[in-house]
Amino acid sequence: DAGVTQSPTHLIKTRGQHVTLRCSPISGHKSVSWYQQVLGQGPQFIFQYYEKEERGRGNFPDRFSARQFPNYSSELNVNALLLGDSALYLCASSPNRDYGYTFGSGTRLTVV
Amino acid sequence: AQKITQTQPGMFVQEKEAVTLDCTYDTSDQSYGLFWYKQPSSGEMIFLIYQGSYDEQNATEGRYSLNFQKARKSANLVISASQLGDSAMYFCAMRPIMNSGYSTLTFGKGTMLLVSP
Repeated sequence: DAGVTQSPTHLIKTRGQHVTLRCSPISGHKSVSWYQQVLGQGPQFIFQYYEKEERGRGNFPDRFSARQFPNYSSELNVNALLLGDSALYLCASSPNRDYGYTFGSGTRLTVV
Repeated sequence: AQKITQTQPGMFVQEKEAVTLDCTYDTSDQSYGLFWYKQPSSGEMIFLIYQGSYDEQNATEGRYSLNFQKARKSANLVISASQLGDSAMYFCAMRPIMNSGYSTLTFGKGTMLLVSP
């Protein structure tokens, strides 16, 4: 079975640009969460989606947005990129009320 | 709000020895789950072990065991018989267990484990 897949794996963007990151959850998993991991830190929660609805949002500015599609895949969008947005962006999926999350390998975003 | 504290930025261990990675937590939730993840240089967060707050026995998964002391709010990871492939960042995390709705993971800052031959 395929795990959580994220694309692209690496990305370089210029300040002020926008970026779209994509995530496909494990088949049958209806919940997708996004986390930002800055170098040297643990992941920080950005968004959680279930059944195409936003269920939770972390302490991130409105430049960050996300959505979940009918097939449960998800996109994370970041507008007006700042140097500080450089990080590893991790997507995690879980079935309904599962105790654990399965993470993808992440998208490494570099803003220059 | 939940908080995870990992006080060891780095740990060194020789191959085949056991090592304990420390984790303390703070929460006002009555029911919660504690997790340990391994993150190699590739970036993927690999789930290792889970402990529920109402589980009376410490969790074990192969060479991994979780030393859960609820009164002390600690959830230390013990890796027995370390292998070179265990070299990675290790993160402790927790999430409240809710009857309805959804909760998210709160992570610590991690501990870098290096296993030497």
